Amino acid sequence: GAVVSQHPSWVICKSGTSVKIECRSLDFQATTMFWYRQFPKQSLMLMATSNEGSKATYEQGVEKDKFLINHASLTLSTLTVTSAHPEDSSFYICSARDVGRGREKLFFGSGTQLSVL
Amino acid sequence: GQQLNQSPQSMFIQEGEDVSMNCTSSSIFNTWLWYKQDPGEGPVLLIALYKAGELTSNGRLTAQFGITRKDSFLNISASIPSDVGIYFCARFGNEKLTFGTGTRLTIIP
Repeated sequence: GAVVSQHPSWVICKSGTSVKIECRSLDFQATTMFWYRQFPKQSLMLMATSNEGSKATYEQGVEKDKFLINHASLTLSTLTVTSAHPEDSSFYICSARDVGRGREKLFFGSGTQLSVL
Repeated sequence: GQQLNQSPQSMFIQEGEDVSMNCTSSSIFNTWLWYKQDPGEGPVLLIALYKAGELTSNGRLTAQFGITRKDSFLNISASIPSDVGIYFCARFGNEKLTFGTGTRLTIIP
């Protein structure tokens, strides 16, 4: 299957600092990438849709000023958690759509475990 | 919003047993997807279904798209230790992928 690389795998930071997570599609171009958040023992919840060259579309209840998304190229999207607080601690997962394999088929990164102290 | 309910929520089985889980929705849609998530990893696509009544296999896994287009089931035959994980159904609609509540599979030695 298509490969999506996510970095870092885990990060620990102090409250009030910002954290950047990168998501790369390694063997295909992704005009659309998605960012999910997963709390322990829960399902994946879509946070935002990242479109190359345009503004991200955020789901209801997700603060766009807190979760900054940049999709500057066809292979890279970044999520920056600004002024992180302990309640932002979660597992963040990106995914990318390889339209060539079917528009509904999303391939996921390995996730980033964020712990805010 | 639209919710995908999976049952059972968790399963404890012995190696070699067959497994069956399902996913139901209050609304109709055109694509069912089944994913598996290992601990600390992102989900991996197992099977995609596109037509009502469709039955698709992937090795020991078999999934069916219900004829009402509101449900789907996933079967795993002759379970092995590496089948442990969380299984999610998902729907694709409005250019988004929405996940079900998940079924956690544990294999008892």
